[in-house]
Amino acid sequence: QITLKESGPTLVKPTQTLTLTCTFSGFSLSTTSGVGVGWIRQPPGKALEWLALIYWNDDKRYRPSLRSRLTITKDTSKNQVVLTMTSVDPVDTATYYCAHRRDFDYWYVYWGQGTLVTVSS
Amino acid sequence: QSALTQPRSVSGSPGQSVTISCTGTSSDVGGYNHVSWYQQHPGKAPKVIIYDVNKGPSGVPDRFSGSKSGNTASLTISGLQAEDEADYYCCSYAGSYTFDVFGTGTKVTVL
Repeated sequence: QITLKESGPTLVKPTQTLTLTCTFSGFSLSTTSGVGVGWIRQPPGKALEWLALIYWNDDKRYRPSLRSRLTITKDTSKNQVVLTMTSVDPVDTATYYCAHRRDFDYWYVYWGQGTLVTVSS
Repeated sequence: QSALTQPRSVSGSPGQSVTISCTGTSSDVGGYNHVSWYQQHPGKAPKVIIYDVNKGPSGVPDRFSGSKSGNTASLTISGLQAEDEADYYCCSYAGSYTFDVFGTGTKVTVL
């Protein structure tokens, strides 16, 4: 059974760095080839927005408009994927989801419950 | 990477059919047969209901169907039911650089 869960701060000040962690089970990013974990966010009342993805082989993809602010990494020993976003702004206020994806599968079946992050001074 | 364009809302009575459009470009929807659709109820994570334009995951009712013509993909809900009232998002693969692009979202209301 595949599960994912996001964790991180609920409140971040503008200009600070946001660090979110996705802890998963039911698969491994070190031994299960062809799998990846992505991050998608959703501002309150607005649409989903794809942010980044990391594959088992450390291949990384980023949303072009946020590429300079995002870093995605994996800790295979902890079954975690970490997303770092620098220089946050109130417009980055959103629910952040992580989701499981298989290579050559262009959709996300398993999602975390999401974590709401508010950027405010 | 601009979001794919969806109607803000559609509505229908129980038993009716509704169709949601998702318009992109030749760089995303028109360029790949990798359009997926997600259903999202309030306060919940999205759930995939269609992948690769017209394939339904196991467990998803077959009254959800997808299609694509040119740069526009469509989701049709046949035999609308009360539990179908939710937000729906399309998503398209857009190449190895842009990767995934989501739609603007459509609220489906069951009258």
